[in-house]
Amino acid sequence: AAGVIQSPRHLIKEKRETATLKCYPIPRHDTVYWYQQGPGQDPQFLISFYEKMQSDKGSIPDRFSAQQFSDYHSELNMSSLELGDSALYFCASSPTRDRGRETQYFGPGTRLLVL
Amino acid sequence: KQEVTQIPAALSVPEGENLVLNCSFTDSAIYNLQWFRQDPGKGLTSLLLIQSSQREQTSGRLNASLDKSSGRSTLYIAASQPGDSATYLCAVKPHSGYALNFGKGTSLLVTP
Repeated sequence: AAGVIQSPRHLIKEKRETATLKCYPIPRHDTVYWYQQGPGQDPQFLISFYEKMQSDKGSIPDRFSAQQFSDYHSELNMSSLELGDSALYFCASSPTRDRGRETQYFGPGTRLLVL
Repeated sequence: KQEVTQIPAALSVPEGENLVLNCSFTDSAIYNLQWFRQDPGKGLTSLLLIQSSQREQTSGRLNASLDKSSGRSTLYIAASQPGDSATYLCAVKPHSGYALNFGKGTSLLVTP
């Protein structure tokens, strides 16, 4: 079965550079979520989109922005990178806006290292 | 803010033992609770999802229970195997917002 695809899988950047992470949800899933997991930490919610509109916002820094496109893929743009942005970034998708029943399916993550 | 706590933080058992992982949450106003498995440096694999109206879910050697009123869930693993070694995370979906609130996980080591 198709899964959530994230690219790139690994990324190395210098401080103050920018990075773009991409997420391709499972076909027919219309909701996308982004999470950040620091070393030894639990995943923290950043932002979500439903039908190309932002549906919820968590602890996403102002230096980060995201959007969902007409084909439902999503991109997380990160600017002025800091050492503390080094983390595993997960994208998840779900098939419905019915928050009571859907399962969030997670991608393999993008590991970002900021030097 | 919903707080999710997992006990113990780490657990080591010999192969073949049955074990229980615990998850507690502070706000019982949840839609569902999910248990995930995470291998080192890898993604999250969903194991079981329990809706707020359900008491338990089973998948193979795994059984998850939910007591929403007391804010507790348990993941029972029967006849543990070395391949079960991983970090197990529980996450709750509160009534407000789209985000999952995760616990910090239980790191499980099953020794041959």
